[in-house]
Amino acid sequence: RKEVEQDPGPFNVPEGATVAFNCTYSNSASQSFFWYRQDCRKEPKLLMSVYSSGNEDGRFTAQLNRASQYISLLIRDSKLSDSATYLCVVNMGTGRRALTFGSGTRLQVQP
Amino acid sequence: GAGVSQSPSNKVTEKGKDVELRCDPISGHTALYWYRQSLGQGLEFLIYFQGNSAPDKSGLPSDRFSAERTGGSVSTLTIQRTQQEDSAVYLCASSPDTGRGGALHFGNGTRLTVT
Repeated sequence: RKEVEQDPGPFNVPEGATVAFNCTYSNSASQSFFWYRQDCRKEPKLLMSVYSSGNEDGRFTAQLNRASQYISLLIRDSKLSDSATYLCVVNMGTGRRALTFGSGTRLQVQP
Repeated sequence: GAGVSQSPSNKVTEKGKDVELRCDPISGHTALYWYRQSLGQGLEFLIYFQGNSAPDKSGLPSDRFSAERTGGSVSTLTIQRTQQEDSAVYLCASSPDTGRGGALHFGNGTRLTVT
């Protein structure tokens, strides 16, 4: 089982749609969680951290479910500019301090 | 301010040659990471430096790969006797955070092609 697992997609959605991605992680001791965005042939960039109580940033909402070991990202009112690959990132806890990236979920928003 | 700088941006080398990739992190960032990404794939962790602690080398795929970080700043990733499967984009990132991880600032990467 991969340490951080994502559905690769692609998710093809029309403009204005709401879309959600999930990401599961294997290590229950994982401490911190993030969503990154990567545009084609570009470097990843931090989209948002994921807090235990859930958090929102404009059209983006992130949630954490520790019991089931997954995090989610919800995008409302999708824009063409949201088309990208969304990477789930997990800090695997003590003893392995480096962040572990999922393979990403590709989103294509269509006009 | 200046972001993470990587050089060269592109490197084409012949199989069997050694290559050195350089990363200049953001000034003051204590954590430095190397990842690589093959076409259409996710990021593969290679090595992590944090301050003066021993680096986490658990991601290095073979003993042909090594990295150092001098003076807690610039890092060099060296690949000896390159193989075609080493072809990938090598990404460096730095972070001001320590224990819980945090926002990584990535460089533009070095695209390595081994012919």
